Amino acid sequence: SQQGEEDPQALSIQEGENATMNCSYKTSINNLQWYRQNSGRGLVHLILIRSNEREKHSGRLRVTLDTSKKSSSLLITASRAADTASYFCATDYGNNRLAFGKGNQVVVIP
Amino acid sequence: DAGVIQSPRHEVTEMGQEVTLRCKPISGHDYLFWYRQTMMRGLELLIYFNNNVPIDDSGMPEDRFSAKMPNASFSTLKIQPSEPRDSAVYFCASSSSLTDTQYFGPGTRLTVL
Repeated sequence: SQQGEEDPQALSIQEGENATMNCSYKTSINNLQWYRQNSGRGLVHLILIRSNEREKHSGRLRVTLDTSKKSSSLLITASRAADTASYFCATDYGNNRLAFGKGNQVVVIP
Repeated sequence: DAGVIQSPRHEVTEMGQEVTLRCKPISGHDYLFWYRQTMMRGLELLIYFNNNVPIDDSGMPEDRFSAKMPNASFSTLKIQPSEPRDSAVYFCASSSSLTDTQYFGPGTRLTVL
């Protein structure tokens, strides 16, 4: 079944730096979503980008979508220690059902 | 709104025992999802419901797993008999057909000894 795959798998950066994560998928999608998971907690929705959109912003988050390459990127600008978490991309191919990638672990060093 | 509520938060049981996980979705949401998360396999969709009806249970690993949704505000995931390889964090999530966002519960960490 279709599943988003994130790259890189783990990222360690200094506070204040930007963090970029990529996600690839295999078939056509309705939308692509990014979620965050803090250790020991449930996933929290961050941002959704539809298949007819190319870029979207939300606070310090910027998401891009390239449907021709079947890929998306998530940029977190001016990272903070509180951004330390795992980040998942999820592809929606209908019926409100999502296929999640394995996640990117991001560590922001104060 | 209280969000998606799951119980118990932690469950430790012995192999062969029956385990029941519970979920209360967000009021008004018409989709409910059960996921399992492990280090090895990541986040797997087990089953999902729409308007209390199971739509796709192809992710349920085997007949030992069953899920029900008797009404719009309650769902259970049952494992009988449990095995050590069932140890994982089980998440329930709900969403509305009006939006595409899923809201996750805090999860149940299951350990089968």
